[in-house]
Amino acid sequence: KNEVEQSPQNLTAQEGEFITINCSYSVGISALHWLQQHPGGGIVSLFMLSSGKKKHGRLIATINIQEKHSSLHITASHPRDSAVYICAVGGNQFYFGTGTSLTVIP
Amino acid sequence: NAGVTQTPKFQVLKTGQSMTLQCAQDMNHNSMYWYRQDPGMGLRLIYYSASEGTTDKGEVPNGYNVSRLNKREFSLRLESAAPSQTSVYFCASELGTNTEAFFGQGTRLTVV
Repeated sequence: KNEVEQSPQNLTAQEGEFITINCSYSVGISALHWLQQHPGGGIVSLFMLSSGKKKHGRLIATINIQEKHSSLHITASHPRDSAVYICAVGGNQFYFGTGTSLTVIP
Repeated sequence: NAGVTQTPKFQVLKTGQSMTLQCAQDMNHNSMYWYRQDPGMGLRLIYYSASEGTTDKGEVPNGYNVSRLNKREFSLRLESAAPSQTSVYFCASELGTNTEAFFGQGTRLTVV
């Protein structure tokens, strides 16, 4: 069973492109986290959302609770954005997606 | 502030050996977690501690034990390592509904 589905699994973009990563979930949630993991590295929190939209620099995250869907957008992508992006949803217990591997080519 | 500190970063064990993964956080968080990350799968919860003095099983607790030594420290012990425990292990704190999550750098464990 997959409580969290991310798409696409892999994504290659040219530097400067606008990128969208999607997360759909099937469980009731209190919060959704977007996480970033660089190759061989630790996991860093990007956003915690319970409704609406948040923006940090070139990153924008949105959530539609009724649709059970969230998107992570990266504007003006840069090679340093190359990483795996992970969606996690839940409340008392969290479920994790398998991640979207993003490569941004100069 | 160091955040969440995990040690060691890498470890190779022989089948049957034991080891303890250490995790400490300096943010005065109540809840702490141990996850494992395997290729093609999302992070899976091994054990968690909602507060000092309490621990609970997660999704995949078999073969592991934990200790919440104090509010700062939450260790994960493999008593008799098996090849199926080859994975990357992450400690986290405060993964919840009010704040962002904080993760350690991970421990890459290989059991041969």
